[in-house]
Amino acid sequence: NAGVTQTPKFQVLKTGQSMTLQCAQDMNHEYMSWYRQDPGMGLRLIHYSVGAGITDQGEVPNGYNVSRSTTEDFPLRLLSAAPSQTSVYFCASSPGPRYEQYFGPGTRLTVT
Amino acid sequence: GDSVTQMEGPVTLSEEAFLTINCTYTATGYPSLFWYVQYPGEGLQLLLKATKADDKGSNKGFEATYRKETTSFHLEKGSVQVSDSAVYFCALGDMRFGAGTRLTVKP
Repeated sequence: NAGVTQTPKFQVLKTGQSMTLQCAQDMNHEYMSWYRQDPGMGLRLIHYSVGAGITDQGEVPNGYNVSRSTTEDFPLRLLSAAPSQTSVYFCASSPGPRYEQYFGPGTRLTVT
Repeated sequence: GDSVTQMEGPVTLSEEAFLTINCTYTATGYPSLFWYVQYPGEGLQLLLKATKADDKGSNKGFEATYRKETTSFHLEKGSVQVSDSAVYFCALGDMRFGAGTRLTVKP
């Protein structure tokens, strides 16, 4: 099993550009989530999904969109990048709310 | 709403010292509790977990006990090693994380 994979590993965007961060898991987990990690802020939940076709907002959803058309994939879209979105982004999956989460290796995004 | 409050660092210890990282939570019901570890340049990985009151999670010499009466889940290790240097996160089962505690262990 590859576990949770994320692409790209690094990305530099200019303000106003859009892009999609990819996330895939091969463990047949129902739950998937996106976090951003900023110094001193821990992990903050952006969006999450409890199954294909079902998504919901987390703590910091503004400026991001998600969709979940398959169990395996959960892409995160930045609609119009802003410098405040400079961060490290982690995708995670889990069998359910009382189980551990499995994290991808992260994407380091810089918006100039 | 639910929340996790974690002792902030950074924490610097000498090798073989005793480690405690405090974690308290606010939650409705009885959530599962987790400690995750993040090594430099990597994603988070599970260190240990507890799913009900008085459960003790343990792994790699680390321990934490689910204390419902004090709503706490403190992480402890009796003798830390240089290889334990990392960032440690306390988390609830509803995808809420503490701010993380950076641990540096010096030889």
